[in-house]
Amino acid sequence: ELKVEQNPLFLSMQEGKNYTIYCNYSTTSDRLYWYRQDPGKSLESLFVLLSNGAVKQEGRLMASLDTKARLSTLHITAAVHDLSATYFCAVVLNSGGSNYKLTFGKGTLLTVNP
Amino acid sequence: NAGVTQTPKFRVLKTGQSMTLLCAQDMNHEYMYWYRQDPGMGLRLIHYSVGEGTTAKGEVPDGYNVSRLKKQNFLLGLESAAPSQTSVYFCASSPNQGVSNVLTFGAGSRLTVL
Repeated sequence: ELKVEQNPLFLSMQEGKNYTIYCNYSTTSDRLYWYRQDPGKSLESLFVLLSNGAVKQEGRLMASLDTKARLSTLHITAAVHDLSATYFCAVVLNSGGSNYKLTFGKGTLLTVNP
Repeated sequence: NAGVTQTPKFRVLKTGQSMTLLCAQDMNHEYMYWYRQDPGMGLRLIHYSVGEGTTAKGEVPDGYNVSRLKKQNFLLGLESAAPSQTSVYFCASSPNQGVSNVLTFGAGSRLTVL
């Protein structure tokens, strides 16, 4: 059974600071997704990481993937209030028969304070 | 381009009542999914479909049924609603093309069972 663990689950940070959210998963996978969810809204795709060592950046967010360590990180640089949201990582089980099923972490609720 | 549309957005049921949630996508996607989101639990897969006429169980299928009679629609049914099914339900779809297979989510349907 694939388990996906995020930490921290709650993160309160000040504007201008840097921080990292971690996503660990329990079985082999070569595809990892990061999604953002604003309160009361749907999920929006941020990044898809497809191989070991993959790094993607968009604005103040940078995601990376280490498939050997089964770890992805989402790094926030110089946080701003607009980044306040819940961030989810999701992993696909590395099996040809189920490469379309995502297992989600519990999410990290990020609050950026002025 | 509407993307993924869920109806209804809100519904209140009494224990034992039945209802159907409708998901429609206009992107010609092969795969469709139903997730439920509960506080502190992330998203959990209920059922999914890899094409018209196919359905399969996800992580938490008990108490739900689904049908995919048309490629663009994926219905989630509750035959006898229970308070434990109070949740926010998200439908998603994804193409069967390319490696990334990013899910597009609907806006969600909030269901309360009294």
